[in-house]
Amino acid sequence: AQTVTQSQPEMSVQEAETVTLSCTYDTSESDYYLFWYKQPPSRQMILVIRQEAYKQQNATENRFSVNFQKAAKSFSLKISDSQLGDAAMYFCAYRSANYGGSQGNLIFGKGTKLSVKP
Amino acid sequence: DTEVTQTPKHLVMGMTNKKSLKCEQHMGHRAMYWYKQKAKKPPELMFVYSYEKLSINESVPSRFSPECPNSSLLNLHLHALQPEDSALYLCASSQDWVLETQYFGPGTRLLVL
Repeated sequence: AQTVTQSQPEMSVQEAETVTLSCTYDTSESDYYLFWYKQPPSRQMILVIRQEAYKQQNATENRFSVNFQKAAKSFSLKISDSQLGDAAMYFCAYRSANYGGSQGNLIFGKGTKLSVKP
Repeated sequence: DTEVTQTPKHLVMGMTNKKSLKCEQHMGHRAMYWYKQKAKKPPELMFVYSYEKLSINESVPSRFSPECPNSSLLNLHLHALQPEDSALYLCASSQDWVLETQYFGPGTRLLVL
């Protein structure tokens, strides 16, 4: 079974600085997707970034970028120029790319709570 | 537009009540999901509907009854709940069950007294 591990329960960053959130996963599959979701106190889960395992290029969305290391099974999120609005719980998630059974389901890590200091 | 709407935002109910949660999307997505999230925990999958058919039921107690009347609407009927069922209930949808990104609604905060 696949697992997702976020080893940092809490992180803190100064406004305008850069922070990296860690995520590792375990799978025997070669084709899958990885996601970072953000959940602010307003509760809504918001997609931050998505990475397809077959793509070697790291995904980027404005101030958010990932460092995807497939061999190491590592998928970290870098937030540049941190803003107060980035304060939230961040969840790393894995999903198989294979049809059948429950393989389409998201597997979440336990989350990292990010605080942004003004 | 990646909007999933959920009503109500908050719900308080007694253990003998019957209530329903509603989720709606107009993105043409063919897969819809119900998740349960306890405080400071990741979401836990409850049900998956794909093309309006129940595809996954993650051993959820029968006091939770999902319904998908059409491709845009997903309901969760609640009956005889327990206090431990108090949680945030999230709905999500995706173009396809396996290959596409899931987009979440804002959730319904449920309190069972």
